Amino acid sequence: GAVVSQHPSRVICKSGTSVKIECRSLDFQATTMFWYRQFPKQSLMLMATSNEGSKATYEQGVEKDKFLINHASLTLSTLTVTSAHPEDSSFYICSARVLPLGTGNYGYTFGSGTRLTVV
Amino acid sequence: DAKTTQPPSMDCAEGRAANLPCNHSTISGNEYVYWYRQIHSQGPQYIIHGLKNNETNEMASLIITEDRKSSTLILPHATLRDTAVYYCIVRVGDKAAGNKLTFGGGTRVLVKP
Repeated sequence: GAVVSQHPSRVICKSGTSVKIECRSLDFQATTMFWYRQFPKQSLMLMATSNEGSKATYEQGVEKDKFLINHASLTLSTLTVTSAHPEDSSFYICSARVLPLGTGNYGYTFGSGTRLTVV
Repeated sequence: DAKTTQPPSMDCAEGRAANLPCNHSTISGNEYVYWYRQIHSQGPQYIIHGLKNNETNEMASLIITEDRKSSTLILPHATLRDTAVYYCIVRVGDKAAGNKLTFGGGTRVLVKP
């Protein structure tokens, strides 16, 4: 099945530094990637949608200058958390849209997530 | 996409069937019901999806009511490894739509020995 590889699985960084998270589609081409953030005991919250070769679309309330998304190829999307602060500590998950699920309908496959801790 | 309502938590006994309800009373004709689960500190995992017919795969069964306003995910023989948060999601099943998956609160399922 379609696999999305997400790295790193966990990272600790100092406040004020930037952190890059990568998601690669291993056996398919991901024209669309989604980035989610999840705080403890909460559900996944969509941050942005990225399409290969174009600018990402951010959800309301998500700072595009702080969460930089690059989707330069069909197999790689990156999320960079710039000038990270402790409140950015969270679980970040990427997801790719895939075809098909037997019905010709789009499905979604998820990365394993990145636990970011900003100290 | 239609909103879904799920109980926040439920327990079930190992080896027994787990029945997880989901209400989606505002679902429209071209919206599919998807189920995903998330085991602690992992990315969500696809379980099953359906439009109006009942569906079964190696993981679970999905029962959708005739009026499509609710559905039930059935894990036939729950194991301890099925402990997870289960999300019921409704979205338009359109290849061209490119729609995102919007997660609600889900049901936290605890399988007990």
